[in-house]
Formats: sequence, C-alpha cells, structure tokens
Amino acid sequence: NAGVTQTPKFRILKIGQSMTLQCTQDMNHNYMYWYRQDPGMGLKLIYYSVGAGITDKGEVPNGYNVSRSTTEDFPLRLELAAPSQTSVYFCASSYQSPGENTEAFFGQGTRLTVV
Amino acid sequence: GEDVEQSLFLSVREGDSSVINCTYTDSSSTYLYWYKQEPGAGLQLLTYIFSNMDMKQDQRLTVLLNKKDKHLSLRIADTQTGDSAIYFCAEEGYNKLIFGAGTRLAVHP
Repeated sequence: NAGVTQTPKFRILKIGQSMTLQCTQDMNHNYMYWYRQDPGMGLKLIYYSVGAGITDKGEVPNGYNVSRSTTEDFPLRLELAAPSQTSVYFCASSYQSPGENTEAFFGQGTRLTVV
Repeated sequence: GEDVEQSLFLSVREGDSSVINCTYTDSSSTYLYWYKQEPGAGLQLLTYIFSNMDMKQDQRLTVLLNKKDKHLSLRIADTQTGDSAIYFCAEEGYNKLIFGAGTRLAVHP
C-alpha cells in the first residue's frame, strides 16, 4: 500500500491564481481530512469527509473547497490564492472516526507559497 | 470549546529523559493521542491512551493522564538523537482530531 499520497510536494502561486492539491489513499478509508500547518499554530482542520459524497467544514474553511466523488480521492481547491494561504497542507485518512481509537495516516505534505 | 495546548520547545541532552506536557479541554474524549512529525514528513501515530487509564507504557515511552486536571504527558526515556522531532498531542473532536501546536524536541550531545 502506498498509504496517503499528496501532490504536488511544493508549489509557488501568484496572488489570485487557483490550484488543486491532490490527495489519494489506497487503504479504503472512509474518513479523509485536510489540515494546514502554520508555525507555532499546530494543525488546523480545513475540511473533512466521512465518506464518498459527504464533506463538511472544519475550523478554517474560508478560501477553500473540496469534493469527494470517490472513496480514494479528496482534492482541495484554492480558487483565489492569497498570501494568508501560504502554509504546509496535510491530507490524512482514517478507517473510522477518531473517537473509535483509529489511527490517522498522513501524507507527506504540500508546501504552498503565495506571492 | 475544544483546545489543546503544549509548550513549543524542549531541549534535552542525549541519554536524559524528555517530558512533553499537554493540556486539553474536552473531557469527553475517549482516547488521547501522541503523534510524531519528523522533518519534512507527515505526522505518524506514536502512542495513545484510553481515557480510563492513568498510565500506559510502551518501551521507552510512558504516557500519563490526569483526567481531573485534563493533563497529558509523554515521557521518553533515554532520549536519542533520532527522537528529535515535533510531538503533537491530540484529542477527539466530532469526526476529527484536534491537535496542539506541537512541541519541538531538540536532542543535543
């Protein structure tokens, strides 16, 4: 199993550009998450999904969109990039809800810089 | 609201014990977790503790839980340079994990 795969690893965007961060998992996990990591701020949840066709907002969803058309894929879309979106983005997945003692598996991260 | 707090930095000498502390707010969490992030990588589950337990030991790792004070700690015995990483405490939220800011552990000779 490859686990959770994110692409790209690095990206520089200009203000106002758009892009999609790709995330795919091959573990047949129901739950998928997008977090952003800012220095000294920990991980903030952007969006999550409990299964194909179901998505919900996390703590910091503004400026982002997601879709979950398949179990495997959970892309994150930035429509109008802003400098405040400069961050490291992590996709994660888990078989069950964290409340059921399930391990979350993380991708390697995407380092995004908006200039 | 849900919140997890940790100190940001810890420096220890190789061979000493490291203790990383965390406070959380959601007393209904069934499990509490410690994740480790090595440079340039994603987070990996290190260990967890069931909320009905006070202590869990796993080789060099000891997790202590004080439910009354909502305090969680991770002790690493005989700390090695390979333990240098960021350690995240996490509690359960609704359908998600809530992470602290992470404690950067630096191990020096």
